[in-house]
Amino acid sequence: DTGVSQDPRHKITKRGQNVTFRCDPISEHNRLYWYRQTLGQGPEFLTYFQNEAQLEKSRLLSDRFSAERPKGSFSTLEIQRTEQGDSAMYLCASSQGTGVDEQYFGPGTRLTVT
Amino acid sequence: AQTVTQSQPEMSVQEAETVTLSCTYDTSENNYYLFWYKQPPSRQMILVIRQEAYKQQNATENRFSVNFQKAAKSFSLKISDSQLGDTAMYFCAFPEYGNKLVFGAGTILRVKS
Repeated sequence: DTGVSQDPRHKITKRGQNVTFRCDPISEHNRLYWYRQTLGQGPEFLTYFQNEAQLEKSRLLSDRFSAERPKGSFSTLEIQRTEQGDSAMYLCASSQGTGVDEQYFGPGTRLTVT
Repeated sequence: AQTVTQSQPEMSVQEAETVTLSCTYDTSENNYYLFWYKQPPSRQMILVIRQEAYKQQNATENRFSVNFQKAAKSFSLKISDSQLGDTAMYFCAFPEYGNKLVFGAGTILRVKS
């Protein structure tokens, strides 16, 4: 296993367009997390899944954001009607969901909304 | 809500020297973990070291060690024998109720030759 992967690595879109990001966690990891990181800041939690169930959503996740994890494997994060304020790095992490529950991060998807 | 504070936006250290990055946190939980993550420029975040709150002994991983003061809610990271490859953004993080991570604002560390 090569770790958490994310696709695309970079996305430039015009305001008002919809975008979708994909995250493939480490296999057999039950938990999957999405975070958003703006320049020079620490990541902020958006949402997380235990298998296919979405257990928590941050207030940062407006109704323009939706996340899914069908069959408890990969996850997608969709942003509808993008705004310039959505420009950020979107990070995905996965963990086993037991014990220390260390989270392993992917390389992120950098979104630029013009 | 849990909070994590890193009061040093930027730090510099000469190669081979020692540097300490500070972190304080606030929580009502009693048993928890604390983490330091490293994010090199344009590279992904990796875990540097973790500390279990119920353990009095400070964690050590090679050149990285922590000074954990539970009563003061302080969790500093010491990097010994600094190397150029240690140049990165360092984040202190706290897993709220055992899952989602709450991060500090980060400290940019520059190691100079």
